[in-house]
Amino acid sequence: EAEVAQSPRYKITEKSQAVAFWCDPISGHATLYWYRQILGQGPELLVQFQDESVVDDSQLPKDRFSAERLKGVDSTLKIQPAELGDSAMYLCASSFKRGVEQYFGPGTRLTVT
Amino acid sequence: QKEVEQNSGPLSVPEGAIASLNCTYSDRGSQSFFWYRQYSGKSPELIMFIYSNGDKEDGRFTAQLNKASQYVSLLIRDSQPSDSATYLCAVTLFESGNQFYFGTGTSLTVIP
Repeated sequence: EAEVAQSPRYKITEKSQAVAFWCDPISGHATLYWYRQILGQGPELLVQFQDESVVDDSQLPKDRFSAERLKGVDSTLKIQPAELGDSAMYLCASSFKRGVEQYFGPGTRLTVT
Repeated sequence: QKEVEQNSGPLSVPEGAIASLNCTYSDRGSQSFFWYRQYSGKSPELIMFIYSNGDKEDGRFTAQLNKASQYVSLLIRDSQPSDSATYLCAVTLFESGNQFYFGTGTSLTVIP
C-alpha cells in the first residue's frame, strides 16, 4: 500500500540550530502539504505545494522557515534558527489534487531544548 | 469564529455502544468533509470522506452530512477499545483554494 514517507521520525535540537525534515509523497500525488501540530490542537497548515509551486504559505513564519519541492516530488522543510516554541509534530500529507482526501505520513516529532 | 468546531471531550462510551462525534463548520461554502482518527503520538489516519448531503457508511463507521444545518457527524457502531483515539474533523472551502480546515479533535475513550 502506498504511503507518505517522512524522516527523521524524531529530532532533538538545541535552540538556534538548524533542522530539516524530508517528505516523499504517495506516487502521483501532485499536492503536498506541511502541517504543524501542537498537542491538543488540530494540524495547522504551514505550506501547500501544487507540483513544484507554492500555492499557500500564508501561515509559514518566513523569517525562519523555508520549504521547497524542487522537482515536484519530494519536499524539504527547514527551520533556522530553531526556537523553543517550534517544538511540535511536523506532518507531511499528500493528495491526488487539491480539495480531496489527504494522506499523512508518520510525522516528525521535534523537540527544541 | 473558527471554521471548524468540535467538542474536545473526552467522550466515553462502553464497549459495544454507538459513539457519536459531531462537527460544525462556519462557512456555507464548505464543500468536502473528512474524518481522521489520530492515536496518541501518531499521525492522523483517514477514516471517511463525504461530499453530499445524507449518510455514507463504511463498515462500523457512518458519516452524516447536513449542509443546511452546517454539521457533519461520525457514528461508530459496536465501539471497540481500539477505537479509543482523537477524531479530527476537516472541511475544505472552495474560495480558499480548497484549503483544509481542521477542528481541534474529540477524544474518545471506549471502556471495556
